Amino acid sequence: QSALTQPASVSGSPGQSITISCTGTSSDVGAYNYVSWYQQYPGKAPKLILSYVSDRPSGVSNRFSGSKSGNTASLTISGLQAEDEADYYCNSYVTSGTWVFGGGTRLTVL
Amino acid sequence: QVQLVQSGAEVKEPGASVKVSCKTSGFTFTGYYLHWVRQAPGQGLEWLGRIDPKTGDTRYSQKFQGRVTITTDTSITTLYMELGRLRSDDTAIYYCARDAKMSADFWGQGALVTVSS
Repeated sequence: QSALTQPASVSGSPGQSITISCTGTSSDVGAYNYVSWYQQYPGKAPKLILSYVSDRPSGVSNRFSGSKSGNTASLTISGLQAEDEADYYCNSYVTSGTWVFGGGTRLTVL
Repeated sequence: QVQLVQSGAEVKEPGASVKVSCKTSGFTFTGYYLHWVRQAPGQGLEWLGRIDPKTGDTRYSQKFQGRVTITTDTSITTLYMELGRLRSDDTAIYYCARDAKMSADFWGQGALVTVSS
């Protein structure tokens, strides 16, 4: 099972919107809506920010939104803030009953 | 409140095995799948496997099949991950996580496993 494909890095200025893509296959992202996104700060455990493509857990800012089309899922962060600077990972359930993560994307707030 | 508290850092020699524990509380242990995820230094997240504590059913990443074993002790609501035949590239932080709607909603603090001679 190969890792999902994410851009290594994205950047944006405060107030702007950015989108991070997550491309898989018809056996994972394309097969199910079980796509989730995680935010990770250096030295910390990952934090769930979106599940089931676009569901936000309680306490997560509505500036985070998700979508999916075919084999590609996307995370959009609107109204970019300095505190959004972190690493972001997508994750998908796979038909084999396993999980697969994306390679991760480093977001830099300029 | 939901908590997953992992065991401490370990240093192992190549070829040895390591067993990491994850003590859970604040939720019905048998009501959720539990996963193990690792992160090598400066690298991304990598899924190792998961267990259904209610049935004992496990699923493992093909990459670790035969080398990793995930178990639970429901009497003490604790999850374990044993990785054998350690190599230097197994040096990583190992996380346990709870599964909700096929996503990891709560994570342990991580346990650093260093493989070095």
